[in-house]
Amino acid sequence: QVQLQESGPALVKPSETLSLTCTVSGFSINSYYSWGWIRQPPGKGLEWLGSILHSGSVYYNSSLWSRVTVSLDTSKNHFSLRLSSVTAADTAVYYCARIGDKDGLDVWGQGTTVTVSS
Amino acid sequence: DIRMTQSPSSLSASVGDRVTITCRASQDIRNELGWFQQKPGKAPKRLIYGASILQSGVPSRFSGSGSGREFTLTISSLQPEDFATYYCLQHNSYPRITFGQGTRLEIK
Repeated sequence: QVQLQESGPALVKPSETLSLTCTVSGFSINSYYSWGWIRQPPGKGLEWLGSILHSGSVYYNSSLWSRVTVSLDTSKNHFSLRLSSVTAADTAVYYCARIGDKDGLDVWGQGTTVTVSS
Repeated sequence: DIRMTQSPSSLSASVGDRVTITCRASQDIRNELGWFQQKPGKAPKRLIYGASILQSGVPSRFSGSGSGREFTLTISSLQPEDFATYYCLQHNSYPRITFGQGTRLEIK
C-alpha cells in the first residue's frame, strides 16, 4: 500500500524559507509517476505548487515559480519542497501527492500545517 | 495554463436529494479529470477518475460524466456523510495539474 507522509517545521518566520519533505513508503519514487506538492490556505481551495518526475524534471505553478523548488532523493525514497521568502499568505496545509499521467492524482499525504509568523 | 471553472461554489440540499456539480475546462482535456471529496481537517479523497470511472470502494450513488470541456459529478441520493467540499482536478497538462475552486455541499 502506497503511503505518503509530510514532515517539516510547523512554524516559519516571514522572509525565511519553508522546507518540507514527503517520505514515500510501499512504492519506489524512481518510477513513472510525478510527485507533487499542493497547498490549502485556511478556508480556501486547493492550489498545485509544483511536481517532479522520476527523471528529475520539475514543473512549477507559474504564479509561484520564482520561489518554489521541488527536489527528489531516490536513495531515501523521498521528495522535498522549498518555498522561499514566505509571508503570512503562505500559511496553509501542505500536501504531497502521487500523480500519474494516465489516471491523475491518486494518493495523498495526510497534510501538514505550516504557519508563517514571527 | 488550463483553467477549471467549477459551479456552483456552494449548494444546500437535503438527504435523499439528487445533486449535480459542474466543471468546465478552458480547453479540451479529453477525459483527464478526477473528482475529489474533502471533509474538514482531512486530505481529499478521490471519487472518480478518467471523468467517469468510480474509484474502488466509493458508493455507486456517485457518478461522473463528460469529456472535452464539460464535466459533471452527480450524487444520486444524498446521504448524511456526503456533506463535504468537492473539487475537480484536470491532469491533461500533466505533470501540471489544475483544481476547480471547489463546491461546498451543505445540509438544507
